[in-house]
Amino acid sequence: AQKITQTQPGMFVQEKEAVTLDCTYDTSDPSYGLFWYKQPSSGEMIFLIYQGSYDQQNATEGRYSLNFQKARKSANLVISASQLGDSAMYFCAMREAGGSGTYKYIFGTGTRLKVLA
Amino acid sequence: GAVVSQHPSRVICKSGTSVKIECRSLDFQATTMFWYRQFPKQSLMLMATSNEGSKATYEQGVEKDKFLINHASLTLSTLTVTSAHPEDSSFYICSASLGGGTDTQYFGPGTRLTVL
Repeated sequence: AQKITQTQPGMFVQEKEAVTLDCTYDTSDPSYGLFWYKQPSSGEMIFLIYQGSYDQQNATEGRYSLNFQKARKSANLVISASQLGDSAMYFCAMREAGGSGTYKYIFGTGTRLKVLA
Repeated sequence: GAVVSQHPSRVICKSGTSVKIECRSLDFQATTMFWYRQFPKQSLMLMATSNEGSKATYEQGVEKDKFLINHASLTLSTLTVTSAHPEDSSFYICSASLGGGTDTQYFGPGTRLTVL
């Protein structure tokens, strides 16, 4: 069963506008973490933002904010004031227990964002 | 901080040869490192979790004897693709975790493997 779902394979946004990238997740663990990563065409994975399941406040990091709605199991990424350099693939990921005290990440299928000048 | 390097960035090899990819955490010690594989325009697939000083934990469907992982120190993990075949051509990415409350993983720049 898909545990991380990103329903938008591609998105366009006008430069300087805000954009929301959707992510829903499924887990029965009470303790989990949600992450967003950016992957430009060069291939590296760049950590953007983290939200813990017990965090009361939505996470923010500069122009990035995470709209965490626990009851709906959604963790959407909001990018404000889009820049041309934001064009990239964006992955949502969830940390879940892997057994024996270990953990692992589950990644969504990604959303390709294109910022238009 | 939290910089992870990978070497080589690109490698082309003949079918049947073995290729070693190194993953290093440059400014922190990583008790756990992870190896992923990514096919073009697809998501990351976790191959194995590597803990320093112990055997790697492989995901279901990943051949242990084909993808050898050695986590020799707190800053170095290696992935060796043995007897590589064209279907092993892919983008391989490692990550390392600082540990602590968030367990955020920091990724290396990736290695593009092409097997002829």
